[in-house]
Amino acid sequence: DTAVSQTPKYLVTQMGNDKSIKCEQNLGHDTMYWYKQDSKKFLKIMFSYNNKELIINETVPNRFSPKSPDKAHLNLHINSLELGDSAVYFCASSQNRLAGVFSYEQYFGPGTRLTVT
Amino acid sequence: AQTVTQSQPEMSVQEAETVTLSCTYDTSESDYYLFWYKQPPSRQMILVIRQEAYKQQNATENRFSVNFQKAAKSFSLKISDSQLGDAAMYFCAYEIMEYGNKLVFGAGTILRVKS
Repeated sequence: DTAVSQTPKYLVTQMGNDKSIKCEQNLGHDTMYWYKQDSKKFLKIMFSYNNKELIINETVPNRFSPKSPDKAHLNLHINSLELGDSAVYFCASSQNRLAGVFSYEQYFGPGTRLTVT
Repeated sequence: AQTVTQSQPEMSVQEAETVTLSCTYDTSESDYYLFWYKQPPSRQMILVIRQEAYKQQNATENRFSVNFQKAAKSFSLKISDSQLGDAAMYFCAYEIMEYGNKLVFGAGTILRVKS
């Protein structure tokens, strides 16, 4: 049983194209995230959604647009891809910590390696 | 701004030996969470251990333990009886306690285990 799944796992595309990465979680979590891991392995959060509502939006180019059709899905659409977008993109989910102060573990998907040529 | 620093880009340990990975962080908050994540070559992010800042007792998970020094803002990971399967990139992370639990990661430490 895959907890957090991402499709595709690998994506190779050319500059200027538009692409999407899909994420689904079957854990019943309310909160989902997108992280970017660059070529130096540095991980940084991009977005976070809670119950389909955008709650974290880091300094990310407007070409990146997350979409959450329901709380089990958080997709990432990228317009006009650039060479610098090449990275591994991780989706994650966790229970809703807004209901309390306890910190819930974030479960990560397997990552999508995006290569822009 | 909260930052997490891992000063050791790479570490090596002999199988069955003990190794300690360092992490320091900067925050003005009094209540927060700290984590160590492991990323093997498969690139899956795996939670190794978690520490709540308000708890003085150091967290332990089997062969993994932490040395949490709140005043020094230090959070090191000790791996005892190292195994070949421990070879991976290890990330220290701090959770920002605001609307939405955002993780801030350090740059990572590559751990190599020699047989």
